[in-house]
Amino acid sequence: SAVISQKPSRDICQRGTSLTIQCQVDSQVTMMFWYRQQPGQSLTLIATANQGSEATYESGFVIDKFPISRPNLTFSTLTVSNMSPEDSSIYLCSVEDRAYGYTFGSGTRLTVV
Amino acid sequence: AQKITQTQPGMFVQEKEAVTLDCTYDTSDQSYGLFWYKQPSSGEMIFLIYQGSYDEQNATEGRYSLNFQKARKSANLVISASQLGDSAMYFCAMREISGGSNYKLTFGKGTLLTVNP
Repeated sequence: SAVISQKPSRDICQRGTSLTIQCQVDSQVTMMFWYRQQPGQSLTLIATANQGSEATYESGFVIDKFPISRPNLTFSTLTVSNMSPEDSSIYLCSVEDRAYGYTFGSGTRLTVV
Repeated sequence: AQKITQTQPGMFVQEKEAVTLDCTYDTSDQSYGLFWYKQPSSGEMIFLIYQGSYDEQNATEGRYSLNFQKARKSANLVISASQLGDSAMYFCAMREISGGSNYKLTFGKGTLLTVNP
């Protein structure tokens, strides 16, 4: 299966600041997915990122708050902008892996204080 | 409308016993995929098992099996011979192959499994 390196693994940030999360995949993939998991909740898809085009955002998520870059077929970043305590969550990237369905990064545990 | 329903917020099982985690789904598509993932307290998502809507046999992966009842739209996960390391959150998810949500995974709310020694 694909291997995803996600950084940082955790961070504590001040409100009003921004954090950029990186995901590097060891193989070329067409689509990358970004999820948010709020404390004690399930995973919610933020957006789907295709290389060379604008990300597609799910209802309730906007580009100004969660800008995404996808410069090539192995890398993507998600920025959480102007953070508030409500943004405290685990953020996960994912790719579709033919053999194993979907593979996930190890997650970024974000705490906003 | 909720597409994936996991009605058991928490389950307890004795070590070495089998446990069934429930999952029902809602879709009008003929082609779809069903997944189960395990999430330990560390937060990573571990793929367990996959069932395609056209698969006639129930999927099995080691101690994991999926009890797929298409007419009832259920895809329950059975874990045999539970181990202490099985204690984790378990998520059922569906991928809809066609329609507006192409390639998107939708997750249930999860079931927290605790294995007692």
